Amino acid sequence: DTEVTQTPKHLVMGMTNKKSLKCEQHMGHRAMYWYKQKAKKPPELMFVYSYEKLSINESVPSRFSPECPNSSLLNLHLHALQPEDSALYLCASSQVEAGELFFGEGSRLTVL
Amino acid sequence: RKEVEQDPGPFNVPEGATVAFNCTYSNSASQSFFWYRQDCRKEPKLLMSVYSSGNEDGRFTAQLNRASQYISLLIRDSKLSDSATYLCVVNGGGADGLTFGKGTHLIIQP
Repeated sequence: DTEVTQTPKHLVMGMTNKKSLKCEQHMGHRAMYWYKQKAKKPPELMFVYSYEKLSINESVPSRFSPECPNSSLLNLHLHALQPEDSALYLCASSQVEAGELFFGEGSRLTVL
Repeated sequence: RKEVEQDPGPFNVPEGATVAFNCTYSNSASQSFFWYRQDCRKEPKLLMSVYSSGNEDGRFTAQLNRASQYISLLIRDSKLSDSATYLCVVNGGGADGLTFGKGTHLIIQP
């Protein structure tokens, strides 16, 4: 069982909806990540938080908005998404930035 | 961004055989190296970190060759359950962070 928990597991939303993906870890890790993965492609880094501060933002469109309320939680707020944003969104954590990653099971997002 | 290259495969290998694949990286300053395994429609899971001296975990052996800038993964006595995509991840250090290879698809055939 993964120690990184993501909710929801599946999400279907329209292009005008606002939704959020949530991620939680209780391993005491200080770095948390959002990745986007399309079929048959490797995970693509979106954001990195290190010690609750945004460390890396990989030129992600503003319709994706990350939030790190505390060291255990990471959210990804979604607004006005496009169909091409449909993908598996993976949260990960590591003890320190760029260390061994522990992934959640992912949130599979479909944008209609 | 620095490159991490893997042969995408698929590697079709009979059960019980030994299979090996490599991952090359372009950043000579890379600091740490990992192999992850990803099953279809599942999340990646850490298989092994790769150390300078090489390391072994049961049927799996990982090696690092800094001179030629590649890491390798050897799987002995392959099982049907080893069928997966194997992702190479390299920490380039500093702003480069972690870079994923595109993955090698392994199919173990009965």
